[in-house]
Amino acid sequence: QVQLVQSGTEVKKPGSSVKVSCKTTGGTFNSFAINWVRQAPGQGLEWMGGIIPIFGTPKFAQTFQGRVTMTTDESTSTAYMELRSLGSEDTAMYYCARLRSDWNDGYFDSWGQGTLVTVSS
Amino acid sequence: DIQMTQSPSSLSASVGDRVTITCRASQSISHNLNWYQQKPGKAPKLLIYSTSSLQSGVPSRFSGSGSGSDFSLTISSLQPEDFATYYCQQSYSTPYSFGQGTKLEI
Repeated sequence: QVQLVQSGTEVKKPGSSVKVSCKTTGGTFNSFAINWVRQAPGQGLEWMGGIIPIFGTPKFAQTFQGRVTMTTDESTSTAYMELRSLGSEDTAMYYCARLRSDWNDGYFDSWGQGTLVTVSS
Repeated sequence: DIQMTQSPSSLSASVGDRVTITCRASQSISHNLNWYQQKPGKAPKLLIYSTSSLQSGVPSRFSGSGSGSDFSLTISSLQPEDFATYYCQQSYSTPYSFGQGTKLEI
């Protein structure tokens, strides 16, 4: 059974960067897109983008274009999301999620446990 | 970008009730609509994919229907563990978008 295990809580200063990891165990890593979804405190879900490891070309929400990098390491079955120029509005729980099927008919069937990122001076 | 609108935003119900949550897309999304359940402090959990397909392990009291731009999630007989927040999500095109959520309360 596939599991996505994320890195731990982060506290960052405004203007800094954060890099969150998401390791896939128990399943195929290369051929499924790993996506990132965030949730601000008390708010809904916001899709940030995703990447298919074997292709390596990510898709991003326009909101994050230029400020986010998504990468993968096939040797460790780990995906990474780096967000730069952090502001208080980036304080949120960040989830990775596996996209089953393809970009235009997919669904998030497995989720990481979430990584809390707090941005505070 | 496709906007997703859920209604109601919150809903009070009792154990044993039948409840329906609706989700409307700002344009046709064919059948590319998924439903998730989220409990406090937990990651979302997939319930229904492609409008009406039940994810493995999800109780059959959950069902989905719809097409085009109007969709619904129905819980036939509420159980105590069903009180949670529910989100719809379109996968017709990126950027993917979620509804704002429906909080189901006792």
